[in-house]
Amino acid sequence: DAGVTQSPTHLIKTRGQQVTLRCSPKSGHDTVSWYQQALGQGPQFIFQYYEEEERQRGNFPDRFSGHQFPNYSSELNVNALLLGDSALYLCASSESPGHRAGELFFGEGSRLTVL
Amino acid sequence: KNEVEQSPQNLTAQEGEFITINCSYSVGISALHWLQQHPGGGIVSLFMLSSGKKKHGRLIATINIQEKHSSLHITASHPRDSAVYICAVRRYYSGGGADGLTFGKGTHLIIQP
Repeated sequence: DAGVTQSPTHLIKTRGQQVTLRCSPKSGHDTVSWYQQALGQGPQFIFQYYEEEERQRGNFPDRFSGHQFPNYSSELNVNALLLGDSALYLCASSESPGHRAGELFFGEGSRLTVL
Repeated sequence: KNEVEQSPQNLTAQEGEFITINCSYSVGISALHWLQQHPGGGIVSLFMLSSGKKKHGRLIATINIQEKHSSLHITASHPRDSAVYICAVRRYYSGGGADGLTFGKGTHLIIQP
């Protein structure tokens, strides 16, 4: 049983460009959350998707957007990239959101470098 | 003040020592997670707690809801335990809606042979 898979693992972009990161949740999981982890910092919650809708959002600008597909996979899009967007982007999946959520499973992350 | 505080930030110990990492939080929570992150980034969930104590191998996690405090203990520590250990809380919302985790900054643990 594959766990959470993310792609790409590494990528380099330049300021102003746009990037799309992808996440496939663990089999049986329907809830996907995205986190940004800057170097040396703890992860920061970006948003969570459930039933193809954004259910909650952290303190991130509208340049960060996402999508969830009927098969529960998800994309994170970042427009107009800034140098400060350089980070490890982590995807986590679980069974259902909120208080019913069970164990979290994380992907290996996508490391984005903005030059 | 951060909603989730961990201590210590850095810890170096000798192989075999008993390790304790502490986490305090200031918000109402529905669950607390202890996570392990190795160099390179991947995060593994060690425990999810809402009350009491859990044990898995050499790892023990406890939580005191009234005091808003949790501890992660490692018995008979080994160099392969070297990693960043992160405490994260799932905030409680009365409506039971979706929520993301709030993370501590992590404890960087090094176990020397």
